[in-house]
Amino acid sequence: GAVVSQHPSWVICKSGTSVKIECRSLDFQATTMFWYRQFPKQSLMLMATSNEGSKATYEQGVEKDKFLINHASLTLSTLTVTSAHPEDSSFYICSALAGGLEQYFGPGTRLTVT
Amino acid sequence: KNEVEQSPQNLTAQEGEFITINCSYSVGISALHWLQQHPGGGIVSLFMLSSGKKKHGRLIATINIQEKHSSLHITASHPRDSAVYICAAQFGNEKLTFGTGTRLTIIP
Repeated sequence: GAVVSQHPSWVICKSGTSVKIECRSLDFQATTMFWYRQFPKQSLMLMATSNEGSKATYEQGVEKDKFLINHASLTLSTLTVTSAHPEDSSFYICSALAGGLEQYFGPGTRLTVT
Repeated sequence: KNEVEQSPQNLTAQEGEFITINCSYSVGISALHWLQQHPGGGIVSLFMLSSGKKKHGRLIATINIQEKHSSLHITASHPRDSAVYICAAQFGNEKLTFGTGTRLTIIP
């Protein structure tokens, strides 16, 4: 079946630094990918929709200058958390649309900002 | 407003029991997804359905469009089924609206 990978699986960074998270569709092309964040014991919240070759669409309340999304190819989208703060610590998950309505989720990246 | 509600929030059962998790949504949808999230955090897509019923192994998902309701059933439950089960609805576009999840614990 379709596989989506994320890298890294976990990362610890210092406050003020930037962190890049990669989301790859391994065996299919994805013109659309989604980025979610999940706080402990809460459900997933959509941050942005990433479209290959165009600017990402951010959900209300998500700072586009802080969470930079690049979808440069049909198999790779990246999320960069810029000037990270402790409140950005969360679990970040991507999903990729494999044609139609089928979405495949990545394993997630746990970010801890100290 | 597009809303998705799940019940129960938490469910503990003995190994072998038949499990049912329910999901209701507020308006018409294009598809309903059932997802499984293990303690490590990774999410697995179990089912996507827009009508009727789907079965995969011991898992069965049903949806009633008229009643705006879906159920996920697990037969002969096993401790390895312990996870958070999440339903998510697609309301006409590609975005998903997620339920709050059901934490299932199966006791040996």
